[in-house]
Amino acid sequence: GAGVSQSPSNKVTEKGKDVELRCDPISGHTALYWYRQSLGQGLEFLIYFQGNSAPDKSGLPSDRFSAERTGGSVSTLTIQRTQQEDSAVYLCASSLGSGLSTDTQYFGPGTRLTVL
Amino acid sequence: GQSLEQPSEVTAVEGAIVQINCTYQTSGFYGLSWYQQHDGGAPTFLSYNALDGLEETGRFSSFLSRSDSYGYLLLQELQMKDSASYFCAVASGGSYIPTFGRGTSLIVHP
Repeated sequence: GAGVSQSPSNKVTEKGKDVELRCDPISGHTALYWYRQSLGQGLEFLIYFQGNSAPDKSGLPSDRFSAERTGGSVSTLTIQRTQQEDSAVYLCASSLGSGLSTDTQYFGPGTRLTVL
Repeated sequence: GQSLEQPSEVTAVEGAIVQINCTYQTSGFYGLSWYQQHDGGAPTFLSYNALDGLEETGRFSSFLSRSDSYGYLLLQELQMKDSASYFCAVASGGSYIPTFGRGTSLIVHP
């Protein structure tokens, strides 16, 4: 079946503009994660959704970042008033959502965000 | 908190064997995962160890020692396509969010 998809694959924006990044998880996966990966760095956790529960937003770096997940499926990560330090690859992953961190995560191809 | 340490870079020649180590500090440890990421690509799952010992999957094996808080990924018969970044990740009790290491860049030379 189809894997995790993300759009756009690349986004170039000007400092101060808002951007929206989209993630379509694997059908049937109830858990969805957003990560940020800067050049040559590891994966920085941003936010986690599990079913209809309130999301875990503990990784969001500032209040300029927000995310929502509609109908338990598609998720959108919004960055307001972008800054140059927001430039990174934003990765989305989904998992079956057993509620345990042992779930295998399936990653999308990422969105490369460049803030000029 | 949780922390993982892995080498930033490892180099090897085609056909050789290479080991990528990962040490971790966490509470309520569940297991250790490994992911592979090619340049510009998405991380893909390789293996998961919850119990001590060696898990073998083709040319790749993963080892875990819970008492030493240590694991490694072993790649045999290296191929050029194995050049990638390899991340270890810790799953721990009470947290549904795995913690990833900073990744090890494996460079395979002909």
